[in-house]
Amino acid sequence: GAGVSQSPRYKVAKRGQDVALRCDPISGHVSLFWYQQALGQGPEFLTYFQNEAQLDKSGLPSDRFFAERPEGSVSTLKIQRTQQEDSAVYLCASSHSGGVQETQYFGPGTRLLVL
Amino acid sequence: DQQVKQNSPSLSVQEGRISILNCDYTNSMFDYFLWYKKYPAEGPTFLISISSIKDKNEDGRFTVFLNKSAKHLSLHIVPSQPGDSAVYFCASRADYGQNFVFGPGTRLSVLP
Repeated sequence: GAGVSQSPRYKVAKRGQDVALRCDPISGHVSLFWYQQALGQGPEFLTYFQNEAQLDKSGLPSDRFFAERPEGSVSTLKIQRTQQEDSAVYLCASSHSGGVQETQYFGPGTRLLVL
Repeated sequence: DQQVKQNSPSLSVQEGRISILNCDYTNSMFDYFLWYKKYPAEGPTFLISISSIKDKNEDGRFTVFLNKSAKHLSLHIVPSQPGDSAVYFCASRADYGQNFVFGPGTRLSVLP
């Protein structure tokens, strides 16, 4: 595809509801990243995949957050029992091979609002 | 504890003049630095990068300067154009890690 796509673009959830956010990386990109961006802040790292392997999940804020990339392409970020503090923009990025000086290409993000 | 700081939340510049956006970092292990630009309702877009082995990188109207001893980098845009109005994020990465650490961003407004 032309770029990283994410769906849905906007999601409103009631507190306690489970949500699933989808990311389609650039075709052929090995590395995939999830970031969380709170209002007025920069993106903060959540987790990183190389192909289907989740190599780093140190940024996930709690065990309610779960990410997967079972076939090494599309990824899903799942948030269980959403809380108001989960309200943020969730950004997905991909890079060709995850090399140290590679650029990450970002999708437009999913804006999650938990009421 | 913010490892990447952008102390100016906003900056206004007249069209045609120079815009200078600043970024400071604390982690001496960072060795690759980038600037991203973000328009509303879009994801960040890569602008320019610099490796720690250099002190300057130029791409058209955009130049990034790195001062490793001061742990400081800056982005110069000259001449500034109204289309440059956006939020600019500084990001850094250590050679042992994969993820970027972002600053909080500076909102640049270029006035016609």
